[in-house]
Amino acid sequence: AQSVTQPDIHITVSEGASLELRCNYSYGATPYLFWYVQSPGQGLQLLLKYFSGDTLVQGIKGFEAEFKRSQSSFNLRKPSVHWSDAAEYFCAVVHNNNDMRFGAGTRLTVKP
Amino acid sequence: NAGVTQTPKFRILKIGQSMTLQCTQDMNHNYMYWYRQDPGMGLKLIYYSVGAGITDKGEVPNGYNVSRSTTEDFPLRLELAAPSQTSVYFCASSYGEGYEQYFGPGTRLTVT
Repeated sequence: AQSVTQPDIHITVSEGASLELRCNYSYGATPYLFWYVQSPGQGLQLLLKYFSGDTLVQGIKGFEAEFKRSQSSFNLRKPSVHWSDAAEYFCAVVHNNNDMRFGAGTRLTVKP
Repeated sequence: NAGVTQTPKFRILKIGQSMTLQCTQDMNHNYMYWYRQDPGMGLKLIYYSVGAGITDKGEVPNGYNVSRSTTEDFPLRLELAAPSQTSVYFCASSYGEGYEQYFGPGTRLTVT
């Protein structure tokens, strides 16, 4: 079945440390790929997206993501995490017209 | 611009009651969406619309109905509330296929 997988339910990192959140998808063709962030009690905010072209995309708040076709992955990275980055992060794909599918999310905790 | 607004923010329903969740956007987006978010499950698409008068089912449409009489509004109707519909509901809109979706703040619904 077609799916979006975020293998890590919860990640804890120290402030200032680097971060990588994993995302894998199982669609046949290259879909549109997104990363969203959700702060507690809030809606989702787009961090970055990949449609085509350069496989390393830059987003807001210092985040970047790399699309790797061979691994069907679109991992999110940040070189130095800030306490305000604590939130839930969702990977999403649009694979068929308007059908956006979300991963289950990764909750990020930042230790002082 | 207010973006995407949703009302109410919170609601408690008894089993069998009905209600309408309201969603309005002021960005002149053609595409609008309804999602539900359950803990640990990510977001699942309920219904979407690509323009006034056009709606289509998403991944989990059972128990819900929608209408789209104007570009701005996309209400979601629950006719016979069931405990399984306890969730947080998000409305979103976008310029078009594959474009960033802008999310409202959500409606937390409890059915008891």
